[in-house]
Amino acid sequence: ETGVTQSPTHLIKTRGQQVTLRCSSQSGHNTVSWYQQALGQGPQFIFQYYREEENGRGNFPPRFSGLQFPNYSSELNVNALELDDSALYLCASSLGGQNINEQFFGPGTRLTVL
Amino acid sequence: ILNVEQSPQSLHVQEGDSTNFTCSFPSSNFYALHWYRWETAKSPEALFVMTLNGDEKKKGRISATLNTKEGYSYLYIKGSQPEDSATYLCASGSGNTGKLIFGQGTTLQVKP
Repeated sequence: ETGVTQSPTHLIKTRGQQVTLRCSSQSGHNTVSWYQQALGQGPQFIFQYYREEENGRGNFPPRFSGLQFPNYSSELNVNALELDDSALYLCASSLGGQNINEQFFGPGTRLTVL
Repeated sequence: ILNVEQSPQSLHVQEGDSTNFTCSFPSSNFYALHWYRWETAKSPEALFVMTLNGDEKKKGRISATLNTKEGYSYLYIKGSQPEDSATYLCASGSGNTGKLIFGQGTTLQVKP
């Protein structure tokens, strides 16, 4: 059984640039959720993809967008980067798009915006 | 309560001590409460998913209880060990969606 993987591990960008983060879900899972964790805070829900469709979104602006592929891997795209976007970005996969489903997290991507 | 709140923020105990943390969450339209353990440089690891009022779950020395009417959950660790040192996160799901709202975590340090 393959666990959840994320790439890249670390990333440095400058303000105004665009970034794409990637997540491979655990084998057999059809749902990916993305979270942003700023320093000193708990993870904040960005959005979830279930069977290639967005299935819920948190309080993030439209410049945060995503995609899920037929193999259920997912991308998080952030346009027009701002300094406050510096954070750890976590993805989690699950079987099913409901909040009763156990979520399995990847190791995260650390994004620094200068 | 509109957000998920955890207390204390951090905790230092001696090896062998038993300890507990609190997670408070919105009780309206409650669907699920998750507990995770997050060790430094690792991925968050699911401990429990609880859905029913009065639920009690146990995994080794760790157990959790759930009160959905008053909106709180307790996590207990019996006989803490240095390897229990981690940040413990709880997350609440309201409504039948995929959205989870996390607390800020309780960081536990167990001294040998």
